[in-house]
Amino acid sequence: ETGVTQTPRHLVMGMTNKKSLKCEQHLGHNAMYWYKQSAKKPLELMFVYNFKEQTENNSVPSRFSPECPNSSHLFLHLHTLQPEDSALYLCASRLARGSSYNEQFFGPGTRLTVL
Amino acid sequence: AQSVTQLGSHVSVSEGALVLLRCNYSSSVPPYLFWYVQYPNQGLQLLLKYTTGATLVKGINGFEAEFKKSETSFHLTKPSAHMSDAAEYFCAVSAALFGNEKLTFGTGTRLTIIP
Repeated sequence: ETGVTQTPRHLVMGMTNKKSLKCEQHLGHNAMYWYKQSAKKPLELMFVYNFKEQTENNSVPSRFSPECPNSSHLFLHLHTLQPEDSALYLCASRLARGSSYNEQFFGPGTRLTVL
Repeated sequence: AQSVTQLGSHVSVSEGALVLLRCNYSSSVPPYLFWYVQYPNQGLQLLLKYTTGATLVKGINGFEAEFKKSETSFHLTKPSAHMSDAAEYFCAVSAALFGNEKLTFGTGTRLTIIP
């Protein structure tokens, strides 16, 4: 596997279910991101992790719970979601290092549908 | 704080014609600017970026963009459209800071190529 991978690619869940999204990067990066992409809205940054530490929580509801066990893996745990949470969830990673700029690399996303 | 405005949520051009996608930004600090492309059922791929130096930047697939500080613009162009260019394009801005970088995206422009 190369780049940034996300599983599953598609997920349908009921409002009472608990599920998790997984992101893995094979690029040696040390920062990871979760974004939400909804129709007709800009990509919304949800969470940022640098060196496994959460450095940003963009006022995300507690029904979304991120986990970053190491620099290569990022999870998004979901519970008691609402239909308006249906969206494409994108993971990204980058090498955050010193004064040089390194761009974010994105995974293919998980298409989530909440019934 | 940063913001991005993409003029035109849908743009259609004929194959072989000039592609022009517009992006204006707002930033309280010197910006880093980006164009990403998203093909159906895929994540975002970086087309090009401006950080410092030359204001005309060239990217992949024949695209280029020019940073114009006086106009706060970063429009994306390609001299001759190809059918494979049909996709959604996102402009993004980041504060020119180290480490904890965050991207702010526009709402996207869907490019359709007419045969």
